[in-house]
Amino acid sequence: AQSVAQPEDQVNVAEGNPLTVKCTYSVSGNPYLFWYVQYPNRGLQFLLKYITGDNLVKGSYGFEAEFNKSQTSFHLKKPSALVSDSALYFCAVRVVDGNTGKLIFGQGTTLQVKP
Amino acid sequence: NAGVMQNPRHLVRRRGQEARLRCSPMKGHSHVYWYRQLPEEGLKFMVYLQKENIIDESGMPKERFSAEFPKEGPSILRIQQVVRGDSAAYFCASSPRLAGSSYEQYFGPGTRLTVT
Repeated sequence: AQSVAQPEDQVNVAEGNPLTVKCTYSVSGNPYLFWYVQYPNRGLQFLLKYITGDNLVKGSYGFEAEFNKSQTSFHLKKPSALVSDSALYFCAVRVVDGNTGKLIFGQGTTLQVKP
Repeated sequence: NAGVMQNPRHLVRRRGQEARLRCSPMKGHSHVYWYRQLPEEGLKFMVYLQKENIIDESGMPKERFSAEFPKEGPSILRIQQVVRGDSAAYFCASSPRLAGSSYEQYFGPGTRLTVT
């Protein structure tokens, strides 16, 4: 079965420190991987994606993610966290088979950045 | 270019009533997806539609739920005879190309359904 796991319900970091939000996946075939952010009572905003090519992907708001095929991971990173980065982050994988375009989401990780 | 639009943003229904949620995809997008987010949970896929076609409804409950995306007008997610367990945020997303492509999905702000 295809799945995405975000092992941490919450990540706490101090402003200015680097942050990492973890994601691992289990799919058959080559995955397309995505990170989205959700602010309270809002929809999801796209941050970045990995399709193919360079394992380090750069996205919006200074975020980046590293694809590691051997560890089946796609961790989200940022060198210096901001208080405004506090939000709920979702990792997702698109199943690339048949006619489906559906995304499978992890359960989400709440990022809390303290001043 | 307006984003994905959903209305209403908030919907309150009593048990047994019908709920209709509407989604207008981004301009130029012909692929629509519906997801449901239960409290304290991630998003779960419900259905994937193209104009006048349901492509994948593997995530839809077997009863009371239906979806359509007509040739003209928004996509509609319809829930008949709502129950308290239907209370959730329902998100619509759209993308411009065929399923399996590398295009990301763009999400609307969601409709928060409360069943009393």
